[in-house]
Amino acid sequence: DAKTTQPTSMDCAEGRAANLPCNHSTISGNEYVYWYRQIHSQGPQYIIHGLKNNETNEMASLIITEDRKSSTLILPHATLRDTAVYYCIVRVATGRRALTFGSGTRLQVQP
Amino acid sequence: DAGVTQSPTHLIKTRGQQVTLRCSPKSGHDTVSWYQQALGQGPQFIFQYYEEEERQRGNFPDRFSGHQFPNYSSELNVNALLLGDSALYLCASSSAALNTEAFFGQGTRLTVV
Repeated sequence: DAKTTQPTSMDCAEGRAANLPCNHSTISGNEYVYWYRQIHSQGPQYIIHGLKNNETNEMASLIITEDRKSSTLILPHATLRDTAVYYCIVRVATGRRALTFGSGTRLQVQP
Repeated sequence: DAGVTQSPTHLIKTRGQQVTLRCSPKSGHDTVSWYQQALGQGPQFIFQYYEEEERQRGNFPDRFSGHQFPNYSSELNVNALLLGDSALYLCASSSAALNTEAFFGQGTRLTVV
């Protein structure tokens, strides 16, 4: 699986959009970009994934650059409950493929 | 619908002892993966079970072993515990047939003293 690079930490004001970047310059054509988050002392939670088109669900939007070498997870209206560590993971999309977690980005939503 | 359940939630063991952690996958899921998360780090893949066999394994010693039962539930066993085995152990379930994403349990916090 391709390696990803994320900032160590970010702050965001409550109610504003949180934009979390991820670099994955060695991504292969059959690899997807996945985002998970982990709220303190809980298990990771799936957020969204995409291949090359932008994706949106009830939790977030995922913007992938045209060359697929980077992406941005957008939380449109961050709340205090969005404070968590966010992991960007690149992998082939199969149900049995193990997830390779990096250190993630610690997002602190400020009141 | 119950999600992924793990037991116990917390556990304290002494160096050299053995421990067994348990995981029940989300309904409809047939694949169980185990991860170890040390404090301040991301989860690290230990191994994965499907059809009652270990299918993939991460870089963990043989002291770490597992089992999957016919009802898809799974156990993680760690022998000869070391202080460095203190971590949050996470279980994730998925379904290859449905190509679902991995759903994680809340984890078992193991402390080795």
